[in-house]
Order: sequence, then C-alpha cells, then structure tokens
Amino acid sequence: QKEVEQDPGPLSVPEGAIVSLNCTYSNSAFQYFMWYRQYSRKGPELLMYTYSSGNKEDGRFTAQVDKSSKYISLFIRDSQPSDSATYLCAMRAAGNKLTFGGGTRVLVKP
Amino acid sequence: GAVVSQHPSWVICKSGTSVKIECRSLDFQATTMFWYRQFPKQSLMLMATSNEGSKATYEQGVEKDKFLINHASLTLSTLTVTSAHPEDSSFYICSAWDSSTRTDTQYFGPGTRLTVL
Repeated sequence: QKEVEQDPGPLSVPEGAIVSLNCTYSNSAFQYFMWYRQYSRKGPELLMYTYSSGNKEDGRFTAQVDKSSKYISLFIRDSQPSDSATYLCAMRAAGNKLTFGGGTRVLVKP
Repeated sequence: GAVVSQHPSWVICKSGTSVKIECRSLDFQATTMFWYRQFPKQSLMLMATSNEGSKATYEQGVEKDKFLINHASLTLSTLTVTSAHPEDSSFYICSAWDSSTRTDTQYFGPGTRLTVL
C-alpha cells in the first residue's frame, strides 16, 4: 500500500463548478501538507501549504486537513478552463523530503 | 513564491553522450535541492537529495555513477546524465528547499525534457 493515495481521475467538470480533490495517507508522522498544480510538460507549482488540521483559504482555493482521519482535500471554486491540470498532493514529516500522491488530472470544460 | 530555474528546458542527444542539467534558485539560497524524474502520466519519483558542499544522497535503485550530482553553491545544483541511453529519456525536474519563509517547502523548476536517440 502506498503511503499517499490519490485518485488519478480524470475528473471532468463544467466551468464554474467546484472541483473537489482529496488524498489519504497512512503515515501519522506527516505534519505538513501541500497541494501543487502541474500543467503538462511543466514543473509543479505550489498552491497551498498547511500544517494544522482545519481549513485554509486562498482566493478560489480551500485546503482542508483532517489529521485524525489522515485525509486532506483541496477545493477549487468557480473553476475555469485554465484550472485544467494535474493536481498533486504532497506531505512531509519533520524532514524536508516530500511524499507525493499520484496526482489527479482535472479537466474543466468551457 | 520562490523562483527556481532549470536549463536547458529540453535536450536531444545521441546514445553514449553525457548531458548536464542546471538547477538554480534565483531569489533565495538553497542548502538542499532535489532531483526528480517523471514519466508520462505518472507522479514525481525522487532520484536524489543534493546538499550544498557535500555528497548527494541517492534513492534506492538510482545509479550514482550514472546520475552525477554536484551542488557547488547555495544557488546551483547540476545533474549530469552520463553515457545516456534511450531508457534515460524522461522529464527531469529539480526543486529547491526554501527554509527562509513560512512556507518552508520545495519550489520546483520548470523541468528538462531529455530525449536520447
């Protein structure tokens, strides 16, 4: 079993809809949680960084962390075609090495 | 956010030649940089951790003699693929650790697409 599980998708939504992404993990030592967006043939771009349970909002993005359930989520409101990309969750323990989920492909249709 | 550059963005080489890829942190100092490899429609696979002024730490299964890493300064790490073969064709991405901000995490370069003929 992988340390971090993420549904590969693809997840297809109409423009304006809410995109809901999630990851589950098994290592209770993970303390820091990130979401990266990766466009095709580009490097990942950091979207959200959280380290405590609860919600964190940044513009159209909301990250949720539930450490008791070992579950994190990313919500994208008012989705746009430019949000079409692969979204990677990542997490780490006390060190600086990241463990990634497999990524979810998202397609926002105009 | 922090900016990381990579050069070249793509390279095509003949089998048996060596290729060097540079990774630079442009607006911060990075004592630690990471090198990843990514195959199509797959997630990132960590190859090695590069620490400034010391030897790189390679992940299990990664040949250190084939993938030479040098981290000579706080803003530059290089990956050299020696005696490249077609199976080395891949997307190589570096990241740099920025511990100077509240978001002490990795920032990624744009990637280098290597094609070995």
